[in-house]
Amino acid sequence: EVQLVQSGAEVKKPGESLRISCQGSGYVFPRYWIGWVRQMPGKGLEWMGSVYPGDSDTRYSPSFQGRVTFSVDKSISTAYLQWSRLKTSDTATYYCARRKYESLNVFDIWGQGTMVTVSS
Amino acid sequence: QSALTQPASVSGSPGQSITISCTGTDSDVGGYNYVSWYQQHPGKAPKLIVYDVTSRPSGVSDRFFGSKSGTTASLTISRLQAEDEAYYYCSSYAGSIALVVFGGGTRLTVL
Repeated sequence: EVQLVQSGAEVKKPGESLRISCQGSGYVFPRYWIGWVRQMPGKGLEWMGSVYPGDSDTRYSPSFQGRVTFSVDKSISTAYLQWSRLKTSDTATYYCARRKYESLNVFDIWGQGTMVTVSS
Repeated sequence: QSALTQPASVSGSPGQSITISCTGTDSDVGGYNYVSWYQQHPGKAPKLIVYDVTSRPSGVSDRFFGSKSGTTASLTISRLQAEDEAYYYCSSYAGSIALVVFGGGTRLTVL
């Protein structure tokens, strides 16, 4: 079964750092882009950017450039989303999603989401 | 404000058909045949139901139909069922910088 499994919910304070993960299985992980999508409480989906596990190439949405960092560890089929200094406005559910092969914007497999709460 | 504009809500009775619109610009919806639609039930991850304007992934019901005219894409759901009650999001390729944009989402209520 093709699936993406994300790390569990996090509660952090403003200014702290955080890295959440997304592990793929059931397919050749390095060959498919992984996208990250933010969903703030009660709001819609926002594309943050994508990372290609094959060579760690990254694309960031202009709205998130400089605020987050994508990385991968091919050896364990895992992608990461990282913040160096969290803000309360980072409170959201974050999804990773596999980009459909040879597509530009189609996300066919989604992780279950990681809820991040940032509060003092 | 989302890049693509969707109605906040639509409703319909079981067995009826509804259409959700998704309006963009020549830089996204109008410029490429790369519109996707996702269904999201509360508390769940989104699910791909239409891609490349009209294609459906394997296993998705043929009651879901995508189309596009100019800068507006549409999702039509026929023979509405209670399980269709969810949020629906459109998405488009938006060029080499923005890459992917989403609509604000539409809440579908099955009366």
